[in-house]
Amino acid sequence: GAVVSQHPSRVICKSGTSVKIECRSLDFQATTMFWYRQFPKQSLMLMATSNEGSKATYEQGVEKDKFLINHASLTLSTLTVTSAHPEDSSFYICSAKAGTGTDTEAFFGQGTRLTVV
Amino acid sequence: GQNIDQPTEMTATEGAIVQINCTYQTSGFNGLFWYQQHAGEAPTFLSYNVLDGLEEKGRFSSFLSRSKGYSYLLLKELQMKDSASYLCAVMDSNYQLIWGAGTKLIIKP
Repeated sequence: GAVVSQHPSRVICKSGTSVKIECRSLDFQATTMFWYRQFPKQSLMLMATSNEGSKATYEQGVEKDKFLINHASLTLSTLTVTSAHPEDSSFYICSAKAGTGTDTEAFFGQGTRLTVV
Repeated sequence: GQNIDQPTEMTATEGAIVQINCTYQTSGFNGLFWYQQHAGEAPTFLSYNVLDGLEEKGRFSSFLSRSKGYSYLLLKELQMKDSASYLCAVMDSNYQLIWGAGTKLIIKP
């Protein structure tokens, strides 16, 4: 399968600071990228969907000004958690897919564990 | 190295039971996840196992044996809508998710 690289894998930051997470498709062009967060033993929650060159579509209840998503190129999307607080501590996962068709697979990154102290 | 193995494809009959196996070798273990993914859609969480044993949720059950590096997802009373890919993923000691390639499940009437 295709490779999606997510960086960093773990990050600890102070409350009030911002953290940027990168998601790269290494061997394909990702027209669409998904960002998720997952709390321990809970389901994967879709935060937003981004298409290259356009604004991300956020799921209900997700603050777009707090979770900034940029998908400026076909191989890179970034999620910036602004003014992070301890309740933002979670596991963030990206996935990317190459096409827009219904039979196009999405591939996952390794995830980023964010701890806000 | 780290790896997750699961069958590439399986076929089953509507109304039957199917078991999808997953074996893993990772540096540390912080839980095993199963996800369902329909073609072209975002994956959905099915289960999380961190202790040995069977976890049942309706028609879906997941089993884990840490000593054997083995898990399975059991689907009962199969329905046509269960046709999808099933992904096994293990969280290692660095809290990274190691993904299997997925098992494509085909349900026949």
